[in-house]
Amino acid sequence: SQQGEEDPQALSIQEGENATMNCSYKTSINNLQWYRQNSGRGLVHLILIRSNEREKHSGRLRVTLDTSKKSSSLLITASRAADTASYFCATEGRDDKIIFGKGTRLHILP
Amino acid sequence: EPEVTQTPSHQVTQMGQEVILRCVPISNHLYFYWYRQILGQKVEFLVSFYNNEISEKSEIFDDQFSVERPDGSNFTLKIRSTKLEDSAMYFCASIPGLAGGIGETQYFGPGTRLLVL
Repeated sequence: SQQGEEDPQALSIQEGENATMNCSYKTSINNLQWYRQNSGRGLVHLILIRSNEREKHSGRLRVTLDTSKKSSSLLITASRAADTASYFCATEGRDDKIIFGKGTRLHILP
Repeated sequence: EPEVTQTPSHQVTQMGQEVILRCVPISNHLYFYWYRQILGQKVEFLVSFYNNEISEKSEIFDDQFSVERPDGSNFTLKIRSTKLEDSAMYFCASIPGLAGGIGETQYFGPGTRLLVL
């Protein structure tokens, strides 16, 4: 199985609701990043959280990191149609190696 | 499970030399991508490729870069005259493209670490 595995694989919610996506990993990391991919286009960097941080906010995004459980979550509050996309976590290990997960496909229903 | 593979895993080159980074996407995938990550920085999109042509490229992807799918299997990134600042990890990715690339999962390769001296 992969380092940086997101769950769920797919998520559909009503507009206005909060969306939570999780990422688990196996080895020690320097940092963890979340990315968004819209409509088959390139990745867009959302937020980076370092291994000594527990929570970060950016607008409607909230990321948590639990290094004891080797997991992270991305919360999108008050979702909008434009949030429909795939979301990826990427872990940077102690060897500076980046590993991407396969992503969560988020669909916001009108 | 099918995987995207990349070769070489590491490459060291002299400034001004040409390098070719190779990727073998998953066999039935239709969209292909290159990204790079300079050490300590975020992953940056370089280019996307579909139907044997570039569909989108970033401002990073200037004339020193080119991509090619020479044989229906490999997807290559060529850097014509490398600079010190090209030192980075380069990732290839592919998606099935069955839904026109909309909402599809990207499958990433393990990356090639390029060091320009």
